[in-house]
Amino acid sequence: RKEVEQDPGPFNVPEGATVAFNCTYSNSASQSFFWYRQDCRKEPKLLMSVYSSGNEDGRFTAQLNRASQYISLLIRDSKLSDSATYLCVVNIRGLPNTGNQFYFGTGTSLTVIP
Amino acid sequence: NAGVTQTPKFRILKIGQSMTLQCTQDMNHNYMYWYRQDPGMGLKLIYYSVGAGITDKGEVPNGYNVSRSTTEDFPLRLELAAPSQTSVYFCASTHTGGGGTQYFGPGTRLLVL
Repeated sequence: RKEVEQDPGPFNVPEGATVAFNCTYSNSASQSFFWYRQDCRKEPKLLMSVYSSGNEDGRFTAQLNRASQYISLLIRDSKLSDSATYLCVVNIRGLPNTGNQFYFGTGTSLTVIP
Repeated sequence: NAGVTQTPKFRILKIGQSMTLQCTQDMNHNYMYWYRQDPGMGLKLIYYSVGAGITDKGEVPNGYNVSRSTTEDFPLRLELAAPSQTSVYFCASTHTGGGGTQYFGPGTRLLVL
């Protein structure tokens, strides 16, 4: 079973729409959660961390449900510049004296249409 | 700060050739990572390092080697290139191993023919 699973999409939405992405993770030792954005042929960049209480950054809202091992990202009032691939990332606690490992979902593709 | 830099940006290798992908960061981060990303797939961890002199395998280490002689540099070595190693390789670093932001380099596109 994959550590992190996402709906690959693609999601094609009109400008101004609200769109939600979901992600599930399989390892209960997961301790940190993130959404990264990746533009075509570019490196991933952090969009936002995801906290247990849920958090918001402008038009973006992230939520975490530890019981269901589920993470979500909501984008309101979509802009053309939001077109990208959104990667769900989970950090899993490693063994003592080793680093934690990050696991990436395959990404969800979003295209915002004029 | 330049952040994380990678060289080369693009390379074509013949089967059986060797090469080293360079990665350098100037943020004094202890943790560094190498990932590969195949088309339409997520990033998969190849190797990582928690500090100079310490490296460990990730999900897909076969066919690769790394070293970490300094905090700044984390080169990835391909000894005998195979077509299955055609991919985009990203190096990343973080200040802490857990909740810290990963900063990525621009990537190296490798084609093995």
